[in-house]
Amino acid sequence: EVQLVQSGAEVKKPGESLKISCKGSGYSFTSYWIAWVRQMPGKGLEWMGIIYPGDSDIRYSPSFQGQVTISADRSISTAYLQWTSLKASDTAMYYCARPSINEEGFDFWGQGTLVTVS
Amino acid sequence: DIQLTQSPSFLSASVGDRVTITCRPSQGVSSYLAWYQQKPGKAPKLLIYAVSTLQTGVPSRFSGSGAGTKFTLTISSLQPEDFATYYCQQLNSYPHTFGQGTKLEIK
Repeated sequence: EVQLVQSGAEVKKPGESLKISCKGSGYSFTSYWIAWVRQMPGKGLEWMGIIYPGDSDIRYSPSFQGQVTISADRSISTAYLQWTSLKASDTAMYYCARPSINEEGFDFWGQGTLVTVS
Repeated sequence: DIQLTQSPSFLSASVGDRVTITCRPSQGVSSYLAWYQQKPGKAPKLLIYAVSTLQTGVPSRFSGSGAGTKFTLTISSLQPEDFATYYCQQLNSYPHTFGQGTKLEIK
């Protein structure tokens, strides 16, 4: 069974750093991209960026380039999203999601990690 | 970036109604257009990919169609569990943008 399990909720102060995780299981982690999606309170979905763990190819949305860092550790089948200096406006739910092998849709999603910056 | 404009943003309908949601890309997306359903407090769920292919396990009352710069999601007969927010997404080019969402509410 394919699963993406994300790390737990975080409460941080402005200026602090943070790294959240997304562990994949039940499939070949290095053969599929993993994307990160932001959802601010009461708002829609925003595509942040995507990584291919097989070769660490990373693509960022221009809106998030320089604001976050996406990475992956193939040895533990885990993708990461990190911030060096959080802002109140980073308060949101963050989802990881896996595109299908043909990249036609995100067929599996993590449960979400709520990040509160206050 | 490709912008996706969904309409309407809000839709009020009754159980049994047929509803259609439209997604208009700012430029061509080939057949890389997907639809998701999201319920409060839950992760989105893939309903349709490649414009019209139903994801495994999704009821056949959901259907997708379109081409070029107009795509539609249709629910043929609304069920109580269909009241949710729906998003389109293009996966033709990075960033894989989402539409702003359509909230489907019970009339």
